[in-house]
Amino acid sequence: GESVGLHLPTLSVQEGDNSIINCAYSNSASDYFIWYKQESGKGPQFIIDIRSNMDKRQGQRVTVLLNKTVKHLSLQIAATQPGDSAVYFCAETYTGFQKLVFGTGTRLLVSP
Amino acid sequence: GAVVSQHPSWVICKSGTSVKIECRSLDFQATTMFWYRQFPKQSLMLMATSNEGSKATYEQGVEKDKFLINHASLTLSTLTVTSAHPEDSSFYICSATLGVRGTSGYNEQFFGPGTRLTVL
Repeated sequence: GESVGLHLPTLSVQEGDNSIINCAYSNSASDYFIWYKQESGKGPQFIIDIRSNMDKRQGQRVTVLLNKTVKHLSLQIAATQPGDSAVYFCAETYTGFQKLVFGTGTRLLVSP
Repeated sequence: GAVVSQHPSWVICKSGTSVKIECRSLDFQATTMFWYRQFPKQSLMLMATSNEGSKATYEQGVEKDKFLINHASLTLSTLTVTSAHPEDSSFYICSATLGVRGTSGYNEQFFGPGTRLTVL
């Protein structure tokens, strides 16, 4: 189902720390997941994706972990920088379904 | 590549007026475009799916007569908020797909920068 958030959870970290942002997805049939970064007043920006046949995928400073058993997704950001401050959304979909369903989002605040 | 633009980036209008928002794919032809609405501190909610040359498909609860969508070409979709009211104030975001599945097997959506609508 779709998620509608009444507020955004916030994760506050210090510059240089590793950040972990979590997402619980809703549809057990979903087989493709994307993490987006959204800065204030801008559209979502693709960060990393993962298919359901994988448990882990790494990019540059980012890692996505997928646990299908508990329908959980996480985004790990290594050596977090002030420029990483934004709202992060997970999105899910499944093969043959064009639409994306977005999670509630998490605001990441990085202090220098 | 795969750049999507929106115009205007922000608009303020009086209650009862209509506002048109444009979504353009600048360097590719988009067979499908999506329109989302995002209220402050909330997630993106899909409003409608628009395919070139056909009528848009609206999500449950979205009034098609209030949010008119036209996808007249492969590079342009427009969203018109008719008789706008303060509760329509929101951030409207479009996305576009190439219509060709990438290596992921999924038609990636490329997002526009959004349009902030404020209805007084």
